[in-house]
Amino acid sequence: GAVVSQHPSWVICKSGTSVKIECRSLDFQATTMFWYRQFPKQSLMLMATSNEGSKATYEQGVEKDKFLINHASLTLSTLTVTSAHPEDSSFYICSAPRGGEIYEQYFGPGTRLTVT
Amino acid sequence: GENVEQHPSTLSVQEGDSAVIKCTYSDSASNYFPWYKQELGKRPQLIIDIRSNVGEKKDQRIAVTLNKTAKHFSLHITETQPEDSAVYFCAASKGGSYIPTFGRGTSLIVHP
Repeated sequence: GAVVSQHPSWVICKSGTSVKIECRSLDFQATTMFWYRQFPKQSLMLMATSNEGSKATYEQGVEKDKFLINHASLTLSTLTVTSAHPEDSSFYICSAPRGGEIYEQYFGPGTRLTVT
Repeated sequence: GENVEQHPSTLSVQEGDSAVIKCTYSDSASNYFPWYKQELGKRPQLIIDIRSNVGEKKDQRIAVTLNKTAKHFSLHITETQPEDSAVYFCAASKGGSYIPTFGRGTSLIVHP
């Protein structure tokens, strides 16, 4: 199956700093990628849709100036959490559909962010 | 928008028993219904999916049924094993859109 990677797998940062998370599709091109946030024992909450070559589409309630998304190529999307605070601590997961008639999404392994 | 309800939130069974997780959706235009298994701290893994033109699909010990009229679909796991213990998510999406709406998840615990 298709492979999506994320880096880093975990990160600890201090309050007020920024953290960048990368999502890569390794064996297919993805014009669209999705960023999710997952709190412990909760479901996946869609944060934004990352579109290659254009602005990301953010879900209601997600601050676009705080969660910066850049989809610079057909295989890479980045999520930057700016001025991180402890409440931003969460599990961030990206996903990418492979396209065609297949609706299946391929998830990255996730990034555990802890803000101290 | 689409709303997906999933029940139960927790399911505890003995090894060898069957487990059933149920989901309902609100948007009759949804036509793709995947099920994901997520182990603690890991990515969701697709375990089975069904399209709206099919009523049932089976893959070894797991099966999914879909009732379009009632707008509900279910995951059935037979002969459960301890390694089936995980959180299971259902989802629904429309044709042309890859963005699924996820249910809240079911924590399945299989006791040896």
